[in-house]
Amino acid sequence: QLQLQESGPGLVKPSETLSLTCTVSGGSISSSTYYWGWIRQPPGKGLEWIGSMSYSGSTYYKPSLKSRATISVDTSQHQVSLRLSSVTAADTAVYYCARHKSRATGIDYWGQGTLVAVSS
Amino acid sequence: QSVLTQPPSVSGAPGQRVTISCTGSSSNIGAGYDVHWYQQLPGTAPKLLIYGNNNRPSGVPDRFSGSKSGTSASLAITGLQAEDEADYYCQSFDSTLSGSIFGGGTELTVL
Repeated sequence: QLQLQESGPGLVKPSETLSLTCTVSGGSISSSTYYWGWIRQPPGKGLEWIGSMSYSGSTYYKPSLKSRATISVDTSQHQVSLRLSSVTAADTAVYYCARHKSRATGIDYWGQGTLVAVSS
Repeated sequence: QSVLTQPPSVSGAPGQRVTISCTGSSSNIGAGYDVHWYQQLPGTAPKLLIYGNNNRPSGVPDRFSGSKSGTSASLAITGLQAEDEADYYCQSFDSTLSGSIFGGGTELTVL
């Protein structure tokens, strides 16, 4: 059974960079079939797609976050990473790691999520 | 404001049927992109409920069904149960944004 587990600091200061890692176990991260991405959910609010990366290395981001977000995949470590620069309080959210088969398909596996608060 | 519009809340009594709508536009649902639905129980990650407009992943009861027409889609839940109380989200792809989009979510209350 595929499992995704997010990890990273639970508190980040304004203007700094948020860095999260998602460790994939129980399945291959190297398959050319899948995309790996990040979704976030501010407290009490809805889901927001941040971006995704294909096995070939192509990345796709929500336009409003493109200038600040970077997604990468380290197949040797079985990890997917997210970096979000110049954070503000509006970036406070639960961040989920996710897997999907193409840019337009549903997300079949989700991590449990990790809460990141942006505060001084 | 979400690109896909859902009602903030719906409710129904046990055993009843409820539907949740998801309205998009010509750059997403109306362009032919598939709609997917998720169920999010309190304090947990979303779970894929319906994919490709009307397909259920293994393990999802057939009480849940999806449909799509024009620029809208719907999730129907029949034989409502207390355990169905959750938030439900629709998702699709938008060609203008060149990325995935979610509806604002609908809170289902079982009376």
